[in-house]
Amino acid sequence: KQEVTQIPAALSVPEGENLVLNCSFTDSAIYNLQWFRQDPGKGLTSLLLIQSSQREQTSGRLNASLDKSSGRSTLYIAASQPGDSATYLCAVPYSGSARQLTFGSGTQLTVLP
Amino acid sequence: DAGVIQSPRHEVTEMGQEVTLRCKPISGHNSLFWYRQTMMRGLELLIYFNNNVPIDDSGMPEDRFSAKMPNASFSTLKIQPSEPRDSAVYFCASSVGEHEKLFFGSGTQLSVL
Repeated sequence: KQEVTQIPAALSVPEGENLVLNCSFTDSAIYNLQWFRQDPGKGLTSLLLIQSSQREQTSGRLNASLDKSSGRSTLYIAASQPGDSATYLCAVPYSGSARQLTFGSGTQLTVLP
Repeated sequence: DAGVIQSPRHEVTEMGQEVTLRCKPISGHNSLFWYRQTMMRGLELLIYFNNNVPIDDSGMPEDRFSAKMPNASFSTLKIQPSEPRDSAVYFCASSVGEHEKLFFGSGTQLSVL
């Protein structure tokens, strides 16, 4: 059974800092890995999807990396802004399935102005 | 694109009542997922459909829960009878094909008194 862990559970940084969020998973036989953002009272928004054959994906100030062999992914946020404050979740498919995702419990990020 | 549309946004009901949650996936998406989110258990997959056919309902907690997808543009999740422990945020999500991003609706906040 796939298990996903995110560390830290909460993070508070001053505006402008670069930061890294961590995600680890137990079964490395994955098709892809997704990073999501969730604002309070809202649904999840997909930020980046990394295919198993890729090492990283970039979108604006966000960069996600994937190391399948070690079962780890990181989400790097450059020059953080107060608007980046949200909960960030990573998700990987259940073992043997591309469609069903197992989610981590998330990292709650607060960027202080 | 209107995104995944869920209704109602909030539902308050009394124990024992029937509750029906509704979802309209993004047009052209052939996979639809129902998730439940609670503080204690995080995001849990309840059931998913592919081309309107239920593929895996092993996450449905009890027989009180049922889901249908009569056509490609509509799905329902029904709880009958509802119980206080069913209180949670229920999300619907859709995707096109395997290895693709998952798009979430805004969720239904269910409170069973």
